[in-house]
Amino acid sequence: KAGVTQTPRYLIKTRGQQVTLSCSPISGHRSVSWYQQTPGQGLQFLFEYFSETQRNKGNFPGRFSGRQFSNSRSEMNVSTLELGDSALYLCASSTTRDRAPTDTQYFGPGTRLTVL
Amino acid sequence: AQSVAQPEDQVNVAEGNPLTVKCTYSVSGNPYLFWYVQYPNRGLQFLLKYITGDNLVKGSYGFEAEFNKSQTSFHLKKPSALVSDSALYFCAVRDINTNAGKSTFGDGTTLTVKP
Repeated sequence: KAGVTQTPRYLIKTRGQQVTLSCSPISGHRSVSWYQQTPGQGLQFLFEYFSETQRNKGNFPGRFSGRQFSNSRSEMNVSTLELGDSALYLCASSTTRDRAPTDTQYFGPGTRLTVL
Repeated sequence: AQSVAQPEDQVNVAEGNPLTVKCTYSVSGNPYLFWYVQYPNRGLQFLLKYITGDNLVKGSYGFEAEFNKSQTSFHLKKPSALVSDSALYFCAVRDINTNAGKSTFGDGTTLTVKP
């Protein structure tokens, strides 16, 4: 079974630009989550989607948005990029079941975003 | 609210020695606990989880973790460390009210195993 895939793997942008990252979950998984990983802040939760509905949102500004499609693929968008947005953005997929806290999350390799 | 603490930023052990990476948690109900490992420039790989039952959980690559409810801990252990175990380790927690898609992670512990 194929794992979680994320594209692109690396991205370089300049301040003020916008960026869209893509995540394809494990086949059959309906839950997709996004995390931001930085050396200073660790792993911070961005959003969680289940069957195209946003279930939870972390404490990030409105410049960060996301969506999930009917095939469970997800995208996240960051508008008006700032230097502090440089990070590894990780996508995780889990479960075919709704509200299943015991199910394992499986992570993709991440997208390394560098903002210059 | 739930939280996780990994009190050690760095753990150093010699190859062949036992290793322990510490994790303590706080949740309002019963905890669901997870350990992940991250190699450089890679995503997180699932190692093991505790849901219920036996307090000693066995996982991938010879790792195990011991759940201790009274001490609210879930320490990761391995009897004999390998140089290839050197990586960043994360503990994560959820409770019954948390969706599968949202975990609270610790800040990570860098494990270095020296030959």
